[in-house]
Amino acid sequence: GENVEQHPSTLSVQEGDSAVIKCTYSDSASNYFPWYKQELGKRPQLIIDIRSNVGEKKDQRIAVTLNKTAKHFSLHITETQPEDSAVYFCAAPTSGGSYIPTFGRGTSLIVHP
Amino acid sequence: SAVISQKPSRDICQRGTSLTIQCQVDSQVTMMFWYRQQPGQSLTLIATANQGSEATYESGFVIDKFPISRPNLTFSTLTVSNMSPEDSSIYLCSAQTGTMNYGYTFGSGTRLTVV
Repeated sequence: GENVEQHPSTLSVQEGDSAVIKCTYSDSASNYFPWYKQELGKRPQLIIDIRSNVGEKKDQRIAVTLNKTAKHFSLHITETQPEDSAVYFCAAPTSGGSYIPTFGRGTSLIVHP
Repeated sequence: SAVISQKPSRDICQRGTSLTIQCQVDSQVTMMFWYRQQPGQSLTLIATANQGSEATYESGFVIDKFPISRPNLTFSTLTVSNMSPEDSSIYLCSAQTGTMNYGYTFGSGTRLTVV
């Protein structure tokens, strides 16, 4: 099965700075990588995802990059705002042929005003 | 994307009793999933529920403790049986609801406290 490692566990930045969260995965057959944002007391919500046939995807202030050779993918948030404060989870398919996600342990992002 | 309604949102239960959590999706979905999330922790998959077949449980979770029903393509229930304080957690249902992607939508969660 898939093993997903996520770093860092906590990330503290000043408003306006950039934040980067990195995940590594073990199954080279994995081909879909979503990122979820979970605000305190709320459900996880999909914020961006990437398939293995592209190296980068952007959506306004957030972007995800994928390095298939090294088996890692990263979430980039630019011009951070206090409302970006949340726990972010990466995920990878549980097995190469499945889209059932295995989640990383989460990163608590704190954006200081 | 689809909306998943989950209830109850929270409950406090006596040890030894059972609680059934319900999830309703506003569109038909093939698979539904049940997760457990301890405070400050990641999401752990309990089981996958397919309509018309028995649920598939992950290692460490058994049907006698967490029976699941999936009577149709829009509804599922998870029962937490013979509860102990160690079952206190947040339980979330989920379904793959995207058409152009494989993103998952989650229910709002059930915060369970066993006393």
